[in-house]
Amino acid sequence: DTEVTQTPKHLVMGMTNKKSLKCEQHMGHRAMYWYKQKAKKPPELMFVYSYEKLSINESVPSRFSPECPNSSLLNLHLHALQPEDSALYLCASSPATSDATETQYFGPGTRLLVL
Amino acid sequence: AQTVTQSQPEMSVQEAETVTLSCTYDTSESDYYLFWYKQPPSRQMILVIRQEAYKQQNATENRFSVNFQKAAKSFSLKISDSQLGDAAMYFCAYRRGDYKLSFGAGTTVTVRA
Repeated sequence: DTEVTQTPKHLVMGMTNKKSLKCEQHMGHRAMYWYKQKAKKPPELMFVYSYEKLSINESVPSRFSPECPNSSLLNLHLHALQPEDSALYLCASSPATSDATETQYFGPGTRLLVL
Repeated sequence: AQTVTQSQPEMSVQEAETVTLSCTYDTSESDYYLFWYKQPPSRQMILVIRQEAYKQQNATENRFSVNFQKAAKSFSLKISDSQLGDAAMYFCAYRRGDYKLSFGAGTTVTVRA
């Protein structure tokens, strides 16, 4: 089973709201990723967690706050977002980070609209 | 830095015909991996095929095959017997021995019935 699930599928929020995106995988993967994807563009890496520890932050603004409560769950907390943050947020997982053979498996994404 | 170039923003193919998507990349590494991902309008990114740089044999997955030319740094994807369900955006991606996938800009494939 190569399934990564994400909730919610759609989210509309105001610039003063606080919301969270959730990602879950049960493949025993120890690396999880958040990507941001604009329409008709490739995904852009935001964060990488390896063995539940944040290993990479791609200079993402602090209004995005990731959290990895356990090896199966990955959250992205959102606060005081801007309209330009509207995008598809993709979660992915892979068995580990340091081996190039590891394929990343993507979830269906959360479509976020910031008003 | 690694860069991945997909020079075809859009491609159209007749159902049952063959289409080839091009991808070139720039790297100084000798050991790396290349991937083709498919993202249909329903948006889930799905792995289509992958190729290890040290392998000379081109990877094949059912109707999907690649033409990997390491010296030319080229990694094209051939879709044979195209089906309506193949309509999607296709991303070429490069990965070396760290966490990052470098994606190309993508090619949108339209399949005509």
